[in-house]
Amino acid sequence: DAGVIQSPRHEVTEMGQEVTLRCKPISGHDYLFWYRQTMMRGLELLIYFNNNVPIDDSGMPEDRFSAKMPNASFSTLKIQPSEPRDSAVYFCASNDRGGTEAFFGQGTRLTVV
Amino acid sequence: AQSVTQLGSHVSVSEGALVLLRCNYSSSVPPYLFWYVQYPNQGLQLLLKYTTGATLVKGINGFEAEFKKSETSFHLTKPSAHMSDAAEYFCAVSRTTYNTDKLIFGTGTRLQVFP
Repeated sequence: DAGVIQSPRHEVTEMGQEVTLRCKPISGHDYLFWYRQTMMRGLELLIYFNNNVPIDDSGMPEDRFSAKMPNASFSTLKIQPSEPRDSAVYFCASNDRGGTEAFFGQGTRLTVV
Repeated sequence: AQSVTQLGSHVSVSEGALVLLRCNYSSSVPPYLFWYVQYPNQGLQLLLKYTTGATLVKGINGFEAEFKKSETSFHLTKPSAHMSDAAEYFCAVSRTTYNTDKLIFGTGTRLQVFP
């Protein structure tokens, strides 16, 4: 398996624009996590899914953020409208059940100018 | 509420010295505990984990950690630091309740290794 695949690796966008980050989890994994990493706040869990269903979205900062998982092999994290304070590295991770290793993608570095 | 606390955002050691990175957790049930390492501009990689069984767990690159329930700790150690160990290290916990499988990370500890 190629591991968790995120796209794009880098995204630069202007304030107010919509941004969509994509993630393909490892085949067979039924948990998917979205994290945001910044210098100030470290690695924050935004939302996680189990069997394509959002289980806990309490980490989503505000309504501008939304995440979907239409099927077991694809998830998106959307920011609309984007703001400079959204600039961060966004990671996607997956595992096959609680307590097992979560595999991380390479991350998407988002810069909002 | 924060479930993982890493003491010390930066730790510096000399090459060959003992590495000790501290992690304390809070959980209402027996937790699952992890240490991850992040090298610059990369994702996170699992070093080791504790779920059940032996409380001293060994991981990759010579690292090990001991689960101490009485101290709610899971400190990471390595007897002899190598230059290649310089990275950021994250402690994480999951299963903080019987109905929760979310993986929560500490704020990280940046390890510097001096020659």
